[in-house]
Amino acid sequence: NAGVTQTPKFQVLKTGQSMTLQCAQDMNHEYMSWYRQDPGMGLRLIHYSVGAGITDQGEVPNGYNVSRSTTEDFPLRLLSAAPSQTSVYFCASSQTGGRGTEAFFGQGTRLTVV
Amino acid sequence: GNSVTQMEGPVTLSEEAFLTINCTYTATGYPSLFWYVQYPGEGLQLLLKATKADDKGSNKGFEATYRKETTSFHLEKGSVQVSDSAVYFCALPLGGSNYKLTFGKGTLLTVNP
Repeated sequence: NAGVTQTPKFQVLKTGQSMTLQCAQDMNHEYMSWYRQDPGMGLRLIHYSVGAGITDQGEVPNGYNVSRSTTEDFPLRLLSAAPSQTSVYFCASSQTGGRGTEAFFGQGTRLTVV
Repeated sequence: GNSVTQMEGPVTLSEEAFLTINCTYTATGYPSLFWYVQYPGEGLQLLLKATKADDKGSNKGFEATYRKETTSFHLEKGSVQVSDSAVYFCALPLGGSNYKLTFGKGTLLTVNP
């Protein structure tokens, strides 16, 4: 079972470059989210989606865009990379929004902006 | 909004030692509470959860009890193994939506043989 798949696993960008982090899930989950993980900060929510065509901002959305054209895919776009965006990025999906629902995470993308 | 405060590590234990990682929360109402674990080089995975007060979540020898009186959800294990070495995160829903989470800062546990 593939679950949540993120690509690439590692990426180095120069300041000002743009790129897209890919996320795909094969569990037919309606809810998908992007988090960033920084040392000593835990995970923070960037953007999320409650279904195809519906996205919204999380706690730290600045500098990132998302779209959700299909149930399976939820790409995260960095428009103009900055060193402050150096982080590990995790995509997650959930089957429902119900109480106690479990989030399934990808293996992460480690991004370095120089 | 909802928030969680988690004991920061790192925590280093010998095999078979007793483990406690403290977690307290601030929330409106009585949200579900979670512990997620991140093994080296992997994404997070659910370790256990509790959905109402006084519930005890358990998995792989780990336990945590939802205490609304003390707003706590401390993680415990009676006898840790080297394979338990990982980062542990306490989490709860961000605001009123169960599919968005807010996490503690994480506790790195290292278990030595």
